[in-house]
Amino acid sequence: KAGVTQTPRYLIKTRGQQVTLSCSPISGHRSVSWYQQTPGQGLQFLFEYFSETQRNKGNFPGRFSGRQFSNSRSEMNVSTLELGDSALYLCASSIGTSGGDTQYFGPGTRLTVL
Amino acid sequence: QKEVEQDPGPLSVPEGAIVSLNCTYSNSAFQYFMWYRQYSRKGPELLMYTYSSGNKEDGRFTAQVDKSSKYISLFIRDSQPSDSATYLCAMSPIYNQGGKLIFGQGTELSVKP
Repeated sequence: KAGVTQTPRYLIKTRGQQVTLSCSPISGHRSVSWYQQTPGQGLQFLFEYFSETQRNKGNFPGRFSGRQFSNSRSEMNVSTLELGDSALYLCASSIGTSGGDTQYFGPGTRLTVL
Repeated sequence: QKEVEQDPGPLSVPEGAIVSLNCTYSNSAFQYFMWYRQYSRKGPELLMYTYSSGNKEDGRFTAQVDKSSKYISLFIRDSQPSDSATYLCAMSPIYNQGGKLIFGQGTELSVKP
């Protein structure tokens, strides 16, 4: 079974630009969660989508948004990039029907904002 | 104060040593407890998963949860250089409908040959 895939793997942007990251979950998984990982803050939850609806949201500004498609693939968008947005962005997929569902992570997209 | 506290290390041990990694937490609603391993430039991979209190063993790895003390541990026996990675504890409450794992900061482990 193919794992979680994320594209692109690396991105370099400048301040003020916007970026879109993509995540393809494991086949059969309907939940996709996004996390931001930085050396200072560790792994922080951004949001979670289930059946094309945002079901959970972390404490990030509105510049961070996402969506999920009918095939469960998900995208996240960051507008008006800031230097502090430089991070590894991870997505994780799970079946999504229970709080105890195992989450499987992708390799991440490393975003550098100059 | 963070909901989940984890000593970031780094922790360096000789090959064959027993490694003990720990996390403390403050939210008594947490019921699902996980340990992930993350190699450099990779995504986290699930190592151990425990529901509520108790012990769970898988090969060289043992996870323990003590809900009365709000304390979880991961033990690695006969540690190998290939165990060198960052270990992240994660947890979620029972009412969580999915997503939103709360992670510790991660402990960087180095096992020296």
